[in-house]
Amino acid sequence: GAVVSQHPSWVICKSGTSVKIECRSLDFQATTMFWYRQFPKQSLMLMATSNEGSKATYEQGVEKDKFLINHASLTLSTLTVTSAHPEDSSFYICSARDRLGLGETQYFGPGTRLLVL
Amino acid sequence: DAKTTQPPSMDCAEGRAANLPCNHSTISGNEYVYWYRQIHSQGPQYIIHGLKNNETNEMASLIITEDRKSSTLILPHATLRDTAVYYCIDVDIYQKVTFGTGTKLQVIP
Repeated sequence: GAVVSQHPSWVICKSGTSVKIECRSLDFQATTMFWYRQFPKQSLMLMATSNEGSKATYEQGVEKDKFLINHASLTLSTLTVTSAHPEDSSFYICSARDRLGLGETQYFGPGTRLLVL
Repeated sequence: DAKTTQPPSMDCAEGRAANLPCNHSTISGNEYVYWYRQIHSQGPQYIIHGLKNNETNEMASLIITEDRKSSTLILPHATLRDTAVYYCIDVDIYQKVTFGTGTKLQVIP
């Protein structure tokens, strides 16, 4: 149980295009999902917290107009990187918290590797 | 900034117990301690969590000091597949997780 998937697993795009990444909780409902970014040899950095049916909460320094987050259902959140540039190339990871679970355990997706040329 | 501190790296012989320490001296009374690990190029994997009592599951054991200022993750019989970066995390009341740099565990044949 507690499986989180991401799609796509990797994507290469041209500078200036937009890229959408999906995060799904496969066997549980997630009121809250989180989006992280990880650069090579660095730790995960929280970008935003996504709550079902409401606007996402972004961390300081993360541009909300560039990283659009939609959490339309209890099992799906999407991150759209708009007008991507090479510096947006990174490993994007989502996590989801089980709505009915005890404690605050977050389950992570396998990540999406983005390369912007 | 991360609220936990861990040694940057550790080695462990295959088959031996790996003991990974973590300091979380600012943890509050109702915050759990969580451990995750990240194998290269994958998403973090949940290992175990605890509040006050020691915990054990099929993957590991978690020993939390009485004052809750530190904990130790124990992998009883490390295998090569346990080579990963291990993160000790406390989750605040807003469910926010702040990852530190973790401990890079290298299991040696």
